[in-house]
Amino acid sequence: AQKVTQAQTEISVVEKEDVTLDCVYETRDTTYYLFWYKQPPSGELVFLIRRNSFDEQNEISGRYSWNFQKSTSSFNFTITASQVVDSAVYFCALSEETSGSRLTFGEGTQLTVNP
Amino acid sequence: DTGVSQDPRHKITKRGQNVTFRCDPISEHNRLYWYRQTLGQGPEFLTYFQNEAQLEKSRLLSDRFSAERPKGSFSTLEIQRTEQGDSAMYLCASSGGRGTGGYNEQFFGPGTRLTVL
Repeated sequence: AQKVTQAQTEISVVEKEDVTLDCVYETRDTTYYLFWYKQPPSGELVFLIRRNSFDEQNEISGRYSWNFQKSTSSFNFTITASQVVDSAVYFCALSEETSGSRLTFGEGTQLTVNP
Repeated sequence: DTGVSQDPRHKITKRGQNVTFRCDPISEHNRLYWYRQTLGQGPEFLTYFQNEAQLEKSRLLSDRFSAERPKGSFSTLEIQRTEQGDSAMYLCASSGGRGTGGYNEQFFGPGTRLTVL
């Protein structure tokens, strides 16, 4: 069965600090997809990134970067030089090839960036 | 606006009443999903459609819940005989139909917040 664990319930940092959000997943499939979504206080989930299980290249997009390691079943998300606008709940999610399109989400990490 | 829209945004109802929510996906997307999110939790999958066909339903979807997508465009989610435990945010998402499997990014609507008194 698929499962996503985000062990950090809440993280609080001061603006300009770097912060890493952890995500560990469990799956029996060899083909799967990993996602990160952002949920700001307004409530709407915003898609950030998708990776497939065959592509372990790390990705950088502006201040955001993602580290995918199959050996440890982790897909961690780092925000560099955090800003107040980064304050939100961040969800990691998993989709298995054999389970159709459904996303299994972790419980989320509440990130608060203080000025 | 070309994003996913949901109506209503908020619904307050009394226990035992029926409620219906509507979701309009991104127009070119052929997949549509329903999720439920309770406070402090991640969204949980309920069901999804490819065009008008309902392809998967979660065990969370009790007999009181029914979803339709009659013409492969908008979808409705109905809850009959609501219970206080149904109080949650109901999220709709859509994705494009390129290929198979779960790689398609799902784009979410703003959700319908249901409160059952």
